[in-house]
Amino acid sequence: ELKVEQNPLFLSMQEGKNYTIYCNYSTTSDRLYWYRQDPGKSLESLFVLLSNGAVKQEGRLMASLDTKARLSTLHITAAVHDLSATYFCAVDPGTYKYIFGTGTRLKVLA
Amino acid sequence: NAGVTQTPKFQVLKTGQSMTLQCAQDMNHEYMSWYRQDPGMGLRLIHYSVGAGITDQGEVPNGYNVSRSTTEDFPLRLLSAAPSQTSVYFCASSYLGQGAGNTIYFGEGSWLTVV
Repeated sequence: ELKVEQNPLFLSMQEGKNYTIYCNYSTTSDRLYWYRQDPGKSLESLFVLLSNGAVKQEGRLMASLDTKARLSTLHITAAVHDLSATYFCAVDPGTYKYIFGTGTRLKVLA
Repeated sequence: NAGVTQTPKFQVLKTGQSMTLQCAQDMNHEYMSWYRQDPGMGLRLIHYSVGAGITDQGEVPNGYNVSRSTTEDFPLRLLSAAPSQTSVYFCASSYLGQGAGNTIYFGEGSWLTVV
């Protein structure tokens, strides 16, 4: 059974600090996705990572993928309040049955 | 840009009633899917389709039916609603293949309460 585990599940951090969210998955995957969801809203695509060693950055967020370790990270640099949201990773095991992690709820404190 | 459109946004059903959640996309995406989101459980795949006339089950298909008669539309039918189907439902779509742009686009969600 394919499992996608994120940690931490909850993260409260001070503005200006750095932190990393981890996404581990249990089988090979063609692609890995990161999404952001604000309360009561839909999911917004952040990154699509397609190969081992892929790194993508957008503003204060940087995502990386290590397919050998079956691990993706989402690094937050100098957090600001606007980054408060729930972040999901998702994997595509090649069957189009995308599997989502349970999410990491991030709260950035002023 | 319309993207992925879901209706209704909110619905209250009585146990045993049936209903259809509508989903339409205007991006000519081959892939469409339905997820449900429950607190603390992330998103779970209900059904998906890789093209008109082709559907398959996801992780939690029981109690739901789908059909894909056109590329644009992918309705989700609840056959006999149960309180356990109280959830937020998201429709999603994307292109198929190995291209770099295979972002999955989500609709705004449908909040369903079964009483």
